Amino acid sequence: DGGITQSPKYLFRKEGQNVTLSCEQNLNHDAMYWYRQDPGQGLRLIYYSQIVNDFQKGDIAEGYSVSREKKESFPLTVTSAQKNPTAFYLCASSFGVFGRFFGPGTRLTVL
Amino acid sequence: AQSVTQPDIHITVSEGASLELRCNYSYGATPYLFWYVQSPGQGLQLLLKYFSGDTLVQGIKGFEAEFKRSQSSFNLRKPSVHWSDAAEYFCAVGITANAGGTSYGKLTFGQGTILTVHP
Repeated sequence: DGGITQSPKYLFRKEGQNVTLSCEQNLNHDAMYWYRQDPGQGLRLIYYSQIVNDFQKGDIAEGYSVSREKKESFPLTVTSAQKNPTAFYLCASSFGVFGRFFGPGTRLTVL
Repeated sequence: AQSVTQPDIHITVSEGASLELRCNYSYGATPYLFWYVQSPGQGLQLLLKYFSGDTLVQGIKGFEAEFKRSQSSFNLRKPSVHWSDAAEYFCAVGITANAGGTSYGKLTFGQGTILTVHP
């Protein structure tokens, strides 16, 4: 079955540590996205990539970094510079300009 | 800049009752409009979308939405709610944006409405 895999589902880290969230898709989509979700705030775009080896900052990129070395993979690193990293992180890939296929998400808790 | 407002944070309905979730948007032109649903701890699933044409659009799971340009609204409706409809619902506006010299489809999401269904 085609889809998006995000791992792990739950992630715990100590304050000051960098952490990398995995996102893999087998849908053959060119574009991929990372969103952050906080209660009552909807989804906010962190980074997006329309093609391999290229990515752009979204609305809240500070404290995050990404890479896009393969079409299937778009990992997100939450660095120690991110002031409030505890959140639910959603990866998506795109079919067409506005179509978004979402993964199941990773809940990150920083202790 | 575009924005989306979902005025109701939480709505409770009885199973079998009708449902309407409100969505208002702010954008200078006619945007592309979407409704997504999210079950607890899961990703989002597209319910329906409006690009142009008929202002009443049908989606999956028996949902429909009506685009009203004069009211800048795109409300989601269902005539009879099932217990399995309990979830969080997000309205989104899509526009074509430019960044880094290229254009892409940007989605701006509302804050979400949590739907609780009583038996």
